Amino acid sequence: DAKTTQPPSMDCAEGRAANLPCNHSTISGNEYVYWYRQIHSQGPQYIIHGLKNNETNEMASLIITEDRKSSTLILPHATLRDTAVYYCISDNDYKLSFGAGTTVTVRA
Amino acid sequence: NAGVMQNPRHLVRRRGQEARLRCSPMKGHSHVYWYRQLPEEGLKFMVYLQKENIIDESGMPKERFSAEFPKEGPSILRIQQVVRGDSAAYFCASSLQRGSTDTQYFGPGTRLTVL
Repeated sequence: DAKTTQPPSMDCAEGRAANLPCNHSTISGNEYVYWYRQIHSQGPQYIIHGLKNNETNEMASLIITEDRKSSTLILPHATLRDTAVYYCISDNDYKLSFGAGTTVTVRA
Repeated sequence: NAGVMQNPRHLVRRRGQEARLRCSPMKGHSHVYWYRQLPEEGLKFMVYLQKENIIDESGMPKERFSAEFPKEGPSILRIQQVVRGDSAAYFCASSLQRGSTDTQYFGPGTRLTVL
């Protein structure tokens, strides 16, 4: 079972930042936080991951709280093509646990 | 650098037939993982293979399912005597190192429909 909690859905306006929260209150010291997304029925796409520090790449930023019990994925300028199910995974195991994720709908 | 490749993308089988799903990992990756996604559900881990070895098959159904990753060629997920409940999307992922310490990259999936 997934060890993270995410809101089931959220809407975002095109061009605005999308902030996706994730709770992982039982995370242990060596567990990373991974974010993937699945657009329609395609394969999951890796977005970003982190352990303690905030991370940024060409797709998104990941903000992890100091106690590591929660994190936020930030899509800086959402586009219609960012509409997808976003999965937050905290794990140190190769068996990635995909929960229900957050269905993000970007509206024009 | 090509990503993870899977074929076929869509596969239709009648009950009792065999399904063979193929996965070519990213170049240089020797760790392969198979996941299954039933309709309206999240992905579930099935099996983890490293070249010529099955590392963990704890998520595989005990009967009719098998997987291999030979020294040469793609990884194969084989389902014998398919039943309607096997209809799902099957995703393969690969990583450079063991997945717990490295990112898994996913293929586009094979959608199996059992008539």
